[in-house]
Amino acid sequence: SAVISQKPSRDICQRGTSLTIQCQVDSQVTMMFWYRQQPGQSLTLIATANQGSEATYESGFVIDKFPISRPNLTFSTLTVSNMSPEDSSIYLCSVGDLLVDEQFFGPGTRLTVL
Amino acid sequence: GQQVMQIPQYQHVQEGEDFTTYCNSSTTLSNIQWYKQRPGGHPVFLIQLVKSGEVKKQKRLTFQFGEAKKNSSLHITATQTTDVGTYFCAATSGTYKYIFGTGTRLKVLA
Repeated sequence: SAVISQKPSRDICQRGTSLTIQCQVDSQVTMMFWYRQQPGQSLTLIATANQGSEATYESGFVIDKFPISRPNLTFSTLTVSNMSPEDSSIYLCSVGDLLVDEQFFGPGTRLTVL
Repeated sequence: GQQVMQIPQYQHVQEGEDFTTYCNSSTTLSNIQWYKQRPGGHPVFLIQLVKSGEVKKQKRLTFQFGEAKKNSSLHITATQTTDVGTYFCAATSGTYKYIFGTGTRLKVLA
């Protein structure tokens, strides 16, 4: 199994600012994903973070709003740009193993935008 | 796009009662996974089903994949307070991306 850490664990931000969330994995992984989970809701996939190339975004999510970096096989960042209160949510990174086909989730970052 | 619905949305049971959540897709699925998310926690993988009609058991939990591979169920026998949480199915139609179901929130009353 993979051990995943996220920073920060929570933050309260002002409207119009940006926040970068970091995801660190204890081993090299092929697939890394970013999800959003609004309070009491299910998980929505934002994008797949690709090592060495641009992230693949899902419908409704764009790079200008959620730029993603993945400089190596153990680390990724998600930036939430020009935040509004509607961006208040929990942001989770997850990693997948193509052989095991199981996703491991980080502890999440709870974001509140005022 | 693909949608994955779960019913019920909420379920309150007395400790010792059984519980079942159902997962339904509008399209034929390749695989389906089940996750449990405790209050304040993150989703934790429970199991993956791949074959049509597949049934898998983990202690008090029984997972089933429908014959048509469009639905799945999770059944818990004799619930315990430790079963509290939200249960999500996550489905794929053949890609590496999984679509999460709407979830069923289980409360167990002692």
